Amino acid sequence: KNQVEQSPQSLIILEGKNCTLQCNYTVSPFSNLRWYKQDTGRGPVSLTIMTFSENTKSNGRYTATLDADTKQSSLHITASQLSDSASYICVVSARGASGTYKYIFGTGTRLKVLA
Amino acid sequence: DGGITQSPKYLFRKEGQNVTLSCEQNLNHDAMYWYRQDPGQGLRLIYYSQIVNDFQKGDIAEGYSVSREKKESFPLTVTSAQKNPTAFYLCASSIRQGTNTGELFFGEGSRLTVL
Repeated sequence: KNQVEQSPQSLIILEGKNCTLQCNYTVSPFSNLRWYKQDTGRGPVSLTIMTFSENTKSNGRYTATLDADTKQSSLHITASQLSDSASYICVVSARGASGTYKYIFGTGTRLKVLA
Repeated sequence: DGGITQSPKYLFRKEGQNVTLSCEQNLNHDAMYWYRQDPGQGLRLIYYSQIVNDFQKGDIAEGYSVSREKKESFPLTVTSAQKNPTAFYLCASSIRQGTNTGELFFGEGSRLTVL
């Protein structure tokens, strides 16, 4: 069964500190992995996309890593800001038997940054 | 600006009523999706459409119906047959289903509450 698990469920950090969010997946065949940021009551917005051959990708203060062998990804946030308070969702794409792609969503990590 | 517009933002429904959630996109995307988001759960696929006049059931289609008469529009009807309709509904689109790197673009969501 295709699954995406994220940890921790929730996290509270002080402004300016760094943090790392984890995503483990059992999805086959793997196509790509995305991290989305979702503010409360809003739609998710894409932060990064990782394909099978990519190990690291950065987007400003956000750095995503992918280890395709262990099927793990992480999202590192540097020098956190109050505006980073949101849910972060890991989404893995899998190619189905018919050739179409399916998106498998993790349950998200809720991050709270305190002043 | 291009994007996805969902309406209404908030909707209240009495038991036994059907309601329709609107989703319009001006991104010229072929594929459109409806997801349901509940606390503590990953997004679950209700319906998706790859082209006009065609749509497919997702994982939790029971109690829902859709239409795709125009490329830019993909309305979702929550029928009285849906036993637990209170949730946050997200509409999304991508260039086309089946692309390896097809990013999902989300609307701002519609929160449905059954009274």
